[in-house]
Amino acid sequence: DTAVSQTPKYLVTQMGNDKSIKCEQNLGHDTMYWYKQDSKKFLKIMFSYNNKELIINETVPNRFSPKSPDKAHLNLHINSLELGDSAVYFCASSQDRGGLDEKLFFGSGTQLSVL
Amino acid sequence: AQKITQTQPGMFVQEKEAVTLDCTYDTSDQSYGLFWYKQPSSGEMIFLIYQGSYDEQNATEGRYSLNFQKARKSANLVISASQLGDSAMYFCAILGTGFQKLVFGTGTRLLVSP
Repeated sequence: DTAVSQTPKYLVTQMGNDKSIKCEQNLGHDTMYWYKQDSKKFLKIMFSYNNKELIINETVPNRFSPKSPDKAHLNLHINSLELGDSAVYFCASSQDRGGLDEKLFFGSGTQLSVL
Repeated sequence: AQKITQTQPGMFVQEKEAVTLDCTYDTSDQSYGLFWYKQPSSGEMIFLIYQGSYDEQNATEGRYSLNFQKARKSANLVISASQLGDSAMYFCAILGTGFQKLVFGTGTRLLVSP
């Protein structure tokens, strides 16, 4: 059983299109995240949700809109895709017991290529 | 602000040797946690080891150990008896009480040669 699963694994699309990436976790975790990994491998948080409530919203263009229908799902919708959106997007989850040992469990990533 | 610095973009090691990957951090929090993750070429992020700022002992997990020097704000990862499968990107990260997100360094690419 995959703990954090995200689909699709690869997404190739044209500039200007709208696309979504889905994420589901079966770990019973309370908090879910979206991270972006750029071409230099740098990982940066975009959003986090705790029990469907938005907790962290980094400086991300408002073309990016996360949606959490329930605490096991956190989807990422991207409008009007731009070349600079090309990256690997990782979904992750954590238990969020409030401790500093809260390790993140990551999905396998979605490689987004905007042409 | 919290920051992780990994100064080694790439490291080479021969199989069966030990290797140390450097990580220094900057935070104003008194309590924080330090993490190492491995990202093989397949792309997934794999948790390796954790060290709490108040842990007196250095963390160990199998062949991985963390050389934690709080005064120097360093948390170096030591991999003993390197294996070919250890070839990957390695990321150091920090989580503090004052911020609710894991902040990553830029990573070190490790290549293990036969």
